[in-house]
Amino acid sequence: KAGVTQTPRYLIKTRGQQVTLSCSPISGHRSVSWYQQTPGQGLQFLFEYFSETQRNKGNFPGRFSGRQFSNSRSEMNVSTLELGDSALYLCASSRRDRGTDTQYFGPGTRLTVL
Amino acid sequence: AQKVTQAQTEISVVEKEDVTLDCVYETRDTTYYLFWYKQPPSGELVFLIRRNSFDEQNEISGRYSWNFQKSTSSFNFTITASQVVDSAVYFCALSENPNSGYSTLTFGKGTMLLVSP
Repeated sequence: KAGVTQTPRYLIKTRGQQVTLSCSPISGHRSVSWYQQTPGQGLQFLFEYFSETQRNKGNFPGRFSGRQFSNSRSEMNVSTLELGDSALYLCASSRRDRGTDTQYFGPGTRLTVL
Repeated sequence: AQKVTQAQTEISVVEKEDVTLDCVYETRDTTYYLFWYKQPPSGELVFLIRRNSFDEQNEISGRYSWNFQKSTSSFNFTITASQVVDSAVYFCALSENPNSGYSTLTFGKGTMLLVSP
């Protein structure tokens, strides 16, 4: 079974621009979560989608948004990029199994903001 | 608030040594789940194990073993006879609100394991 895929793998943007990252979950997984990983803050939860609805959101400004499509693929968007948005953005997909979800991660998109 | 602490920032061992990675968690939930993930230099987080709060049985999988102790809120991970390929950052994580319909992971800061030949 194919794993979680993320595109693009690398991005370089300048301050003020916006960016869209894409995630395709494992087949059959309807939940998609996004995490930001930075050296200073570690892994932080951004948001989670299930059946095209955002079910949970982390403590990030409104510049960070996402959506999920009917085929469970998800995108996240960051508008008005800041230098501090440089990070590895990880997407994870999951489905409920024996009481909770086990999240399986993609390879990530490394975003550099100049 | 839920919290995961991995006090060891970096560990260096020589191949074939045993190594234990510590994880201490805090939660007010009575039902929760604990996870370990491995992040090699490529960046992808690889799922290793999941444990629920009602199952304190230790687990062994090949060279890997996990010791879950609710009394000390710890979920430690031991690699026996370490190999160079074990070099990676290891994350312990706690699942929030498992009965709410969604699961969000709270991660520790990670422990970088360097195994030298």
